[in-house]
Amino acid sequence: GESVGLHLPTLSVQEGDNSIINCAYSNSASDYFIWYKQESGKGPQFIIDIRSNMDKRQGQRVTVLLNKTVKHLSLQIAATQPGDSAVYFCAENIGGAQKLVFGQGTRLTINP
Amino acid sequence: EPEVTQTPSHQVTQMGQEVILRCVPISNHLYFYWYRQILGQKVEFLVSFYNNEISEKSEIFDDQFSVERPDGSNFTLKIRSTKLEDSAMYFCASSALVTNYGYTFGSGTRLTVV
Repeated sequence: GESVGLHLPTLSVQEGDNSIINCAYSNSASDYFIWYKQESGKGPQFIIDIRSNMDKRQGQRVTVLLNKTVKHLSLQIAATQPGDSAVYFCAENIGGAQKLVFGQGTRLTINP
Repeated sequence: EPEVTQTPSHQVTQMGQEVILRCVPISNHLYFYWYRQILGQKVEFLVSFYNNEISEKSEIFDDQFSVERPDGSNFTLKIRSTKLEDSAMYFCASSALVTNYGYTFGSGTRLTVV
């Protein structure tokens, strides 16, 4: 399959452990953020989103934290599974604009 | 679960040739987008489309690129005269009435220009 991100930051965790992926966003006017998962040769898959009027949002096994003061976003994945191995991107959007601006991505590898 | 469908999955073309990449967005979505991802790099915005016209475009989206919604279901990206550096994965996306709500990507078309 296609290798995405030859020089991406990488994170390796043991299966069953929790993982935290971090993202620094660029624009203080951004008010909507999305985390995407991208498996080899596939398109970005929505994981979870958060609006700027929130600090935390939880999904199934995933939590997104937003710190607007330092323009930092994190994705926590609990009880990681082999299927969580992928590249994870954060994306930001400024209200009224059409586009998403993607971060560089982090390659997460789950070790058995 | 509704999905965005892209065809073909892989296209190989000669430099200088025209290519058309096709997308079927989610049926009740009104905003449509094209993004690209050069191998090893991040996903980059190309263009957004709403109400039958381009609403925003990036610097990448020059005169060689065009988009069209020829009927009620398809959304196409045309590259008039392909260059080697156009080789990338091209992703179509769509979102619902409220901008960015339900922003969903297709699986992409891998374009290889030789």
